[in-house]
Amino acid sequence: GEDVEQSLFLSVREGDSSVINCTYTDSSSTYLYWYKQEPGAGLQLLTYIFSNMDMKQDQRLTVLLNKKDKHLSLRIADTQTGDSAIYFCAESTGSFGNEKLTFGTGTRLTIIP
Amino acid sequence: NAGVMQNPRHLVRRRGQEARLRCSPMKGHSHVYWYRQLPEEGLKFMVYLQKENIIDESGMPKERFSAEFPKEGPSILRIQQVVRGDSAAYFCASSEYRDRGRMANEKLFFGSGTQLSVL
Repeated sequence: GEDVEQSLFLSVREGDSSVINCTYTDSSSTYLYWYKQEPGAGLQLLTYIFSNMDMKQDQRLTVLLNKKDKHLSLRIADTQTGDSAIYFCAESTGSFGNEKLTFGTGTRLTIIP
Repeated sequence: NAGVMQNPRHLVRRRGQEARLRCSPMKGHSHVYWYRQLPEEGLKFMVYLQKENIIDESGMPKERFSAEFPKEGPSILRIQQVVRGDSAAYFCASSEYRDRGRMANEKLFFGSGTQLSVL
């Protein structure tokens, strides 16, 4: 079956880089996503990567995909207090594309001043 | 352009009552998805609807749960005879229609969720 795992907590000093890791089990995943959830808000799509890519960079965000090990990571450079949130990794398993997502439990990122 | 609107934000029900959760998708979006997040778990897919059609309900419990997305009005997730185990955050997401032949990358826009508490 499908399973996505993340560590629950991560603390990082302001200005350092944050690396949030995720492992998944479904080798037929087509897209992998990172979502951000701030307190009291819905999930916001941060970035995504197609399964035939191994890296994607978008400003302060870098996504690395190791398809062989089924490992996905999100690196946030120069972490700021506004980056405090829960970060969800998700994979697409739906037959039409990415409608049916399987999410991890989320990693709560705390920024230390 | 308002985002995905869910109401109520918080809903308290006693065991055996009915819960009705509403979701208004983003303007122009004709696809709606419901996800449930149990405490300490990730979001789990429940159901995928288009206007007046259920496309995929493989994640929805077969009893007590139903969903609809009528031609007019919001999508409704209905839970009959709620039990304590139904306590969770229920998230709705929407996306716009795209032809199946196009590269599949529909962005999902999520609402803020409804926190259901069953006493």
